[in-house]
Amino acid sequence: KAGVTQTPRYLIKTRGQQVTLSCSPISGHRSVSWYQQTPGQGLQFLFEYFSETQRNKGNFPGRFSGRQFSNSRSEMNVSTLELGDSALYLCASSLPPGWDAGELFFGEGSRLTVL
Amino acid sequence: DQQVKQNSPSLSVQEGRISILNCDYTNSMFDYFLWYKKYPAEGPTFLISISSIKDKNEDGRFTVFLNKSAKHLSLHIVPSQPGDSAVYFCAASVGNAGNMLTFGGGTRLMVKP
Repeated sequence: KAGVTQTPRYLIKTRGQQVTLSCSPISGHRSVSWYQQTPGQGLQFLFEYFSETQRNKGNFPGRFSGRQFSNSRSEMNVSTLELGDSALYLCASSLPPGWDAGELFFGEGSRLTVL
Repeated sequence: DQQVKQNSPSLSVQEGRISILNCDYTNSMFDYFLWYKKYPAEGPTFLISISSIKDKNEDGRFTVFLNKSAKHLSLHIVPSQPGDSAVYFCAASVGNAGNMLTFGGGTRLMVKP
């Protein structure tokens, strides 16, 4: 079956702009998580959604937001972009939380460059 | 403060030998641990996991050991193969925190033919 699909794969923005990234989970997966990967900070948890509700949120400023739709697809948005937001943004899907908790299936990521 | 640490940024091993990747954690609330591997231009792929009620879990060539008193886990790959060359991340979670994982910084494993 199809894996986790993230779009766009690459994008370049300038400081102050906003960006929206999209994630389509594996069919049947209802939990979607987002992670930011940077060389300095590694993989950091952004937020997790299940049944259109945010279950957990990482330690990121309010400029980072997300949502999940009824078909489990998810989007994340970053407003007022800063240079430090340049990163690989990874989406991961899984069965409902509590089922093999933590066994996430990751997409290939969206690489954001902020100039 | 990094709650999950992988102190070796890289490791080089000869094909056929054992690879041992190490991970330390500080948060005693962590009760589930996982290893992921990542190839360039791909997302991380789940490898193996272990619950805090166990001290060992084995899956084929991969074995994870957990030492709760030392807050240390390790991944053993035997025998190592060139296709195992990748970045390996350990991760930890708290049982009631859903899929919120705390990752280590990763160890790049190079298996030489």
